Amino acid sequence: RKEVEQDPGPFNVPEGATVAFNCTYSNSASQSFFWYRQDCRKEPKLLMSVYSSGNEDGRFTAQLNRASQYISLLIRDSKLSDSATYLCVVSVGMDTGRRALTFGSGTRLQVQP
Amino acid sequence: DAGVTQSPTHLIKTRGQQVTLRCSPISGHKSVSWYQQVLGQGPQFIFQYYEKEERGRGNFPDRFSARQFPNYSSELNVNALLLGDSALYLCASSSGLALDNEQFFGPGTRLTVL
Repeated sequence: RKEVEQDPGPFNVPEGATVAFNCTYSNSASQSFFWYRQDCRKEPKLLMSVYSSGNEDGRFTAQLNRASQYISLLIRDSKLSDSATYLCVVSVGMDTGRRALTFGSGTRLQVQP
Repeated sequence: DAGVTQSPTHLIKTRGQQVTLRCSPISGHKSVSWYQQVLGQGPQFIFQYYEKEERGRGNFPDRFSARQFPNYSSELNVNALLLGDSALYLCASSSGLALDNEQFFGPGTRLTVL
């Protein structure tokens, strides 16, 4: 089982639609959670951190359910510029005692005009 | 201010050769991490260096090595290249030691092994 699992998509939605992505992680000791965005043939960029109480940044809302080991990202009023791959990222402990970031394979979103 | 820079942009090597990839972090960032991203997958953690010391290592063979210089730039070396090493190699820098800090990625080096 992968440490971080995401539906690869693609999700094809019209402009203005609301779309939700889900992500599950296997390591219950995971401590930090993020969503990164990666445009085609570009580097990943941090979209937002995910906090236990849930958090919102404009049209984007992230939720964390530690009991179910599940993270979600909701995008409201989709824009053409939201078309990208969204990477779910979890920090896990290594044998050294330090943490490393584990990335999911990403969910591709295509917003249609 | 300049972001994370990586060189070269693209590289073609043959099996068995060795390759060195270079990364310059954002000014003031002391942490540099390396990731491998195979097509269709998310980035996979290879190494983290902070203050010139290795602070973390992912599940990669000993053919992969890295180092960090006094100016915080870094090199990733891969020996005895295999076809499966073909990937985008991403460097990320951050201000602190913890990988939970925002990671700023460079544009990557696309390595093709023939």
